[in-house]
Formats: sequence, C-alpha cells, structure tokens
Amino acid sequence: DTGVSQDPRHKITKRGQNVTFRCDPISEHNRLYWYRQTLGQGPEFLTYFQNEAQLEKSRLLSDRFSAERPKGSFSTLEIQRTEQGDSAMYLCASSSPRGIEDEQYFGPGTRLTVT
Amino acid sequence: EDKVVQSPLSLVVHEGDTVTLNCSYEVTNFRSLLWYKQEKKAPTFLFMLTSSGIEKKSGRLSSILDKKELFSILNITATQTGDSAVYLCAVDKDSNYQLIWGAGTKLIIKP
Repeated sequence: DTGVSQDPRHKITKRGQNVTFRCDPISEHNRLYWYRQTLGQGPEFLTYFQNEAQLEKSRLLSDRFSAERPKGSFSTLEIQRTEQGDSAMYLCASSSPRGIEDEQYFGPGTRLTVT
Repeated sequence: EDKVVQSPLSLVVHEGDTVTLNCSYEVTNFRSLLWYKQEKKAPTFLFMLTSSGIEKKSGRLSSILDKKELFSILNITATQTGDSAVYLCAVDKDSNYQLIWGAGTKLIIKP
C-alpha cells in the first residue's frame, strides 16, 4: 500500500459550481479524517469516520459541505455552490484501528481554487 | 476580545505518569472546542466537545468541557514517549468558520 491517496490533486472551478473530492485511505485503516487548510493557517478539522459511520463533524459541514464514506473504504467530500472563500487545500488522513491517539497518515491533499 | 489560553505552556513528566492539560476560553457565541495533537507535521484531531459535562474518551486520552466555567481539560493516563507533542486547543465560535487557537502545551515524556 502506498499510503493515503486523494483525487484530484488540483481543481479549478468557477464560483457556484459543485465539486467532489475523493480520498482512498490506507487499507485496513478504519478511521478517515477530512481537514481544510487555508494559507497561513493550520489544518482545521472537518469530519471523521469510523468505518462508514460519521462520528464527528464540524459546523462547516452543516452548510454547503458534505462527506460520505458509504462502504467504509474510500470517502468523498462535496462542496456545493462553491465560493471564493472555499479556496484551500483539502486534506484527508487515515489511522489504524487501535485508537484515536495513533498517528494519522495524511494524503497529498486536493488544492481547490475557486475563480 | 476572544481568547483561548492553555496551561501549562510546557510540561515534562516521566513515562507512566498521568497528565492534565488545561484550556480556558473567553469567546462570544461559543459553538465547540477542539483538541489537536501536533508532532512534527500538521495537527491531528483528537476530540470535539460541544456539550458540558460529557466526557469523551479514546484509549488513554479523555477530555471534558465545562461551559459554565469556560474551560476544558485533556487527560492522558499511563503516558508513553509517543505522547510527546504539542497539544493544541481551538474554539469554534458562531461566526464565519474560523477557529481561535490557543498557544499550545508542549508535553515531553521522558523514558
């Protein structure tokens, strides 16, 4: 396994369009996390899944953002009606089944630019 | 002015000890408080707390929020050297989605 993968790596979209990103975690990692990172800021937690169950989500996901992990493997993050403020790096991470204090392995991220 | 204050700023203990990290806040329109662990890379999520008095627990880590006294604690029991990190506290307030971060507590676990 080569690690966490994300697709696409870069996405340029016009304001108002919907976008969807995909994350494939390390196989057998049952926890999957989504973060958003803007310039000059640390990653901000969006949501996490344990298997297919979404256990926590930040307030941001109650608006135009939604995430799914239907089969407990890959996950998708969708942003509807994109705004220029959504431009950021979207990071996915996964961790082992042994516990939340275990290390999270990050993917390369999807850089979103909204024009 | 909104602020998040963590204490202590640094802490050195021996493996096996129990530690308690503190985070107090003064934030208008509080929504939730988050704990992160940062090692060499980006901070990784630990807990999100929105309700007072409900302990969240995962393995040797636990956290609780007191919305009346405006603080949260993060407990780590039976510490291991791998727990050495900076522990960050952040508060989400009811405005545009932007976290207010504490300065962090640097925890060093000696073998």
